[in-house]
Amino acid sequence: NAGVMQNPRHLVRRRGQEARLRCSPMKGHSHVYWYRQLPEEGLKFMVYLQKENIIDESGMPKERFSAEFPKEGPSILRIQQVVRGDSAAYFCASSPEGKGFYGYTFGSGTRLTVV
Amino acid sequence: QQQVKQSPQSLIVQKGGIPIINCAYENTAFDYFPWYQQFPGKGPALLIAIRPDVSEKKEGRFTISFNKSAKQFSLHIMDSQPGDSATYFCAASVTSVAYKYIFGTGTRLKVLA
Repeated sequence: NAGVMQNPRHLVRRRGQEARLRCSPMKGHSHVYWYRQLPEEGLKFMVYLQKENIIDESGMPKERFSAEFPKEGPSILRIQQVVRGDSAAYFCASSPEGKGFYGYTFGSGTRLTVV
Repeated sequence: QQQVKQSPQSLIVQKGGIPIINCAYENTAFDYFPWYQQFPGKGPALLIAIRPDVSEKKEGRFTISFNKSAKQFSLHIMDSQPGDSATYFCAASVTSVAYKYIFGTGTRLKVLA
């Protein structure tokens, strides 16, 4: 029973390139959450998605960032035209449909480095 | 008002010691307070959580103390072991927006053998 799978584990991009981060939720989970962890800081909520729907994107930067969770396949966090300030660890978590929310399971993260 | 302030930033204890990590919040709407443990290169893992209707909760060697009037809560690790060396994060959420955690900035704990 695999946990939340994120890939790649490490991603290096030059300034101006695009970064695509993938998250496969735990089996049976249809809710996905993305958090960002800047160096020496706690995690900050970015977005909450259900299959084919964005439920809450209040933590997403207004520009360059987008997220999707298609009917088939993993959830994708996309960062266009990356800048050095985007360097961070991005964590995905998932939870099942209809269960009480408490303590979702995080993946191991994608560490994005912008050079 | 949405912040959770965590201290200390780092902590070193001897094996068997009792490290204590403290968190404080302002938003009285918060009603769920989890602690997460994160090892290097890994995602955070839920350790223990508490609701404001109790003042203390124990799970194994981990204890949360909660002071509702002071809006503070803390994590105590009894009989700490080198394997407990990790970064610990407190967090808070509101039931109506339960999926959105506000995390503290983390405490890096090192337990010396």
